[in-house]
Amino acid sequence: KQEVTQIPAALSVPEGENLVLNCSFTDSAIYNLQWFRQDPGKGLTSLLLIQSSQREQTSGRLNASLDKSSGRSTLYIAASQPGDSATYLCAVRPNTNAGKSTFGDGTTLTVKP
Amino acid sequence: NAGVMQNPRHLVRRRGQEARLRCSPVKGHSHVYWYRQLPEEGLKFMVYLQKENIIDESGMPKERFSAEFPKEGPSILRIQQVVRGDSAAYFCASSPQTIHRDEQFFGPGTRLTVL
Repeated sequence: KQEVTQIPAALSVPEGENLVLNCSFTDSAIYNLQWFRQDPGKGLTSLLLIQSSQREQTSGRLNASLDKSSGRSTLYIAASQPGDSATYLCAVRPNTNAGKSTFGDGTTLTVKP
Repeated sequence: NAGVMQNPRHLVRRRGQEARLRCSPVKGHSHVYWYRQLPEEGLKFMVYLQKENIIDESGMPKERFSAEFPKEGPSILRIQQVVRGDSAAYFCASSPQTIHRDEQFFGPGTRLTVL
């Protein structure tokens, strides 16, 4: 059974700092890994999708890496801004016929002005 | 292109009533997934459906919960005789027809409050 863990559960940083969010998963037989952002009381915004054959994806100030063999992914946020404050979720999809995603519980990020 | 639509966005029910949550997938998508998010937790898979078929319902509670995705119309998640513990955000996601492991597109969610 796939388990996804995100550490830390909460993170508070001053504006401008670079930061890393961690995601680990127990079963390396994944098809892809996706990072989402969720604002309080809102839905999910997809940030980056990494296929199992890829090592990283970049979008603006965001960079996500994937090390499938060790069951780890990181989301790097450069030059953080108060608008980055949100909960960040990672989700993995299995390399089987079952298409469901397994989510971590998220990291809640607060960027202080 | 419209994304995944869910309605209602907020739903309030008293204990013992029924809740019906609707999900219209992205046009052309025939794979639908339902997830539940309890407060302060991540999303937990409930059920995976294709048109007129339930593919995987391993995350569905054994009683009171049911889901359907008819040939025409939205997917429906139905909760009978709701209890306070059913209060949560329910998210629907869809993916394209031919490759079920493609990216999932999520709706805005329905927030159910049981009084």
